[in-house]
Formats: sequence, C-alpha cells, structure tokens
Amino acid sequence: EDQVTQSPEALRLQEGESSSLNCSYTVSGLRGLFWYRQDPGKGPEFLFTLYSAGEEKEKERLKATLTKKESFLHITAPKPEDSATYLCAVQGAGNMLTFGGGTRLMVKP
Amino acid sequence: GAGVSQTPSNKVTEKGKYVELRCDPISGHTALYWYRQSLGQGPEFLIYFQGTGAADDSGLPNDRFFAVRPEGSVSTLKIQRTERGDSAVYLCASSPVSSRGSPPITQYFGPGTRLTVL
Repeated sequence: EDQVTQSPEALRLQEGESSSLNCSYTVSGLRGLFWYRQDPGKGPEFLFTLYSAGEEKEKERLKATLTKKESFLHITAPKPEDSATYLCAVQGAGNMLTFGGGTRLMVKP
Repeated sequence: GAGVSQTPSNKVTEKGKYVELRCDPISGHTALYWYRQSLGQGPEFLIYFQGTGAADDSGLPNDRFFAVRPEGSVSTLKIQRTERGDSAVYLCASSPVSSRGSPPITQYFGPGTRLTVL
C-alpha cells in the first residue's frame, strides 16, 4: 500500500525566512511525485511533477527535489501570498494519487 | 480554457437522504477521478473513470456510494442513505488519457463540493 507522510503539519515563517517542507513516501514502482498548493475553500492547484531521483524543478520562489525516499519543497524568501496548504502525492502502479496530510504554511509580513 | 467545474459548491442534507454531486471535466480529458477530503486531511481516492467505464472503484467506502459517467464526459457521484460521517469536501479531477505503465499525467482538480450531513 502506497503511503505519504508530510512534515511539519504546520509551519509559521516570517516574510523572507527560507525553509523546506518534507514529503516521505513508500510506493511500489513510483511513476511520479506531485506537489499541489491548496488555498482555503479551493481545490488543489498543480505545482510540479517529479519523475526520478535527482530531479529538481523550480517555479518562482519554490524548488522541488526528489530522492528515492523523500521529496523536499524549498521555499526561498517567502511572501505572505505563499501562505497555503502544500500537498504531496505519489502515483504508483495505478492511476490514482495517494496524498499526504499536507503542510499548512503561514507567512507573516 | 475552462477548468474542472463542480456543482453544487455546497450541499446541506439530512441524515438518510440521497445526494448527487456533479463534475464537468476539462474538455477532451478522458480520465476522471473522484476524491474525498476531510477537514485537515489530504484528499483520498474514491473512483477513477477511463472514458465511460469505472476503471478502478477500490476507494469507494461502501455500497452507498456509486458514480457514473454515461457519455464519457460529465460524471455524477451518488450517495444513498447519507450519514454524518459522509460530511467532507468531494473533489473531482481530470486528466488526458493515462494508462498503466505510462509516464504520469497531471490531474487537474475542480473547486470541490462541500457536503454537510446534519
């Protein structure tokens, strides 16, 4: 059974204070690891797909990295508008996504 | 272009009643997924359609839950004899065709339907 664990559950940062979110996973045959952003009352918004260990992807202040056991979402010099819940999900042999519980990020000005 | 849309955005019902939740996928997307998200948790898979057929319904919690996609586009999630524990946000996602063993294809989510069972 595929499993995803995200840490921390919640993270409070000051504007400009860089940090990283962790996503640990176990999956039979990883086809892809996904990062989504979710704002309150909205559906998950796609950020990145990572396919293989060593891969990195960047978008504005966000960078996602992947190893064989975990993924990190690095946030550089965050702004208040980066406040959201960040969800990590894996896709194994089936087509469904298995999600972690998410990290609730709050960035204070 | 238009994204995934879901109706209604909110549904309040009484215990024991029947509800239907609707999902309109992105035009041209053949794969459609339903997930359920409880407060403070990540989404949990319910069912996946490839075209008109349910390719995987292993996430449906019991036989009170049923979903259809008769013409390969719009899908309806149906819940009979609702219980308070069914209260959650029901999310729909769609993607282009995706088959086992192929590279993963991004799933795009709708805004969800918030179901409250009193």
